Amino acid sequence: NAGVTQTPKFQVLKTGQSMTLQCAQDMNHEYMSWYRQDPGMGLRLIHYSVGAGITDQGEVPNGYNVSRSTTEDFPLRLLSAAPSQTSVYFCASSPEYGEQYFGPGTRLTVT
Amino acid sequence: DAKTTQPTSMDCAEGRAANLPCNHSTISGNEYVYWYRQIHSQGPQYIIHGLKNNETNEMASLIITEDRKSSTLILPHATLRDTAVYYCIVRNSGNTPLVFGKGTRLSVIA
Repeated sequence: NAGVTQTPKFQVLKTGQSMTLQCAQDMNHEYMSWYRQDPGMGLRLIHYSVGAGITDQGEVPNGYNVSRSTTEDFPLRLLSAAPSQTSVYFCASSPEYGEQYFGPGTRLTVT
Repeated sequence: DAKTTQPTSMDCAEGRAANLPCNHSTISGNEYVYWYRQIHSQGPQYIIHGLKNNETNEMASLIITEDRKSSTLILPHATLRDTAVYYCIVRNSGNTPLVFGKGTRLSVIA
C-alpha cells in the first residue's frame, strides 16, 4: 500500500494562476478531506467527502473547489491563486468510523 | 464538536514519562477523545482514541477522567523522536471531520 499520496510536493504560483493539487489513496477509504496549515497554526479543514460523488465544505472553503468522481482520488483546485493561499496542504483519508491517515503535504507558495 | 484546551508547550526528559493534559469540559456522551501528533512538518499521525475507558496501545496510554471532562495522554518512555505537536480532538464517532486546535508542543530533552 502506498497509503495517501500527494503531488506535487512543492509548487510556486503567481497570483491569479490556477492549479490542481492531487490526492490519491489506495486503501479503499470512503472518507477523504483537505486541510491547510499556516505557519505556527493548527490544521484547518477546507473540503471533505464521505464518498464518491459527495462533497461538503469545511471551515475555509473559499477559493477552492473539489470533486470526487472515484473513491481513490480527491483533487483540490485553486481557481485564482492569492498570496493568502500560501500554505501547506494536507490530504487525509479514513475508512468509515476509523482514524484518518494523512499524506505528506504539498507546500504551496503564491507570489 | 466540543472544544479542547491544551497547554501551549511542555518539556520532558528523555526516558521519562510524558504526560500531556487536555481539558474538554463540554464533551457530550457520544463524543470520543482522539489524539494525533505532528512531527516537524509531516502529516499528522494518529496515536490513540477512547470514549470513557482508559486505553493503551503500542504508542501510548489514554487516561480519561470519570466525568470525561479531561484526559491525559501518556508516553511511557519518551524519546527524542517523540518531539512533536500533540493534538487532542473531541469528535463524534461517525465520519465527522477532525477539528484541530493549536495543540501542545512537546520537546523531549536529552
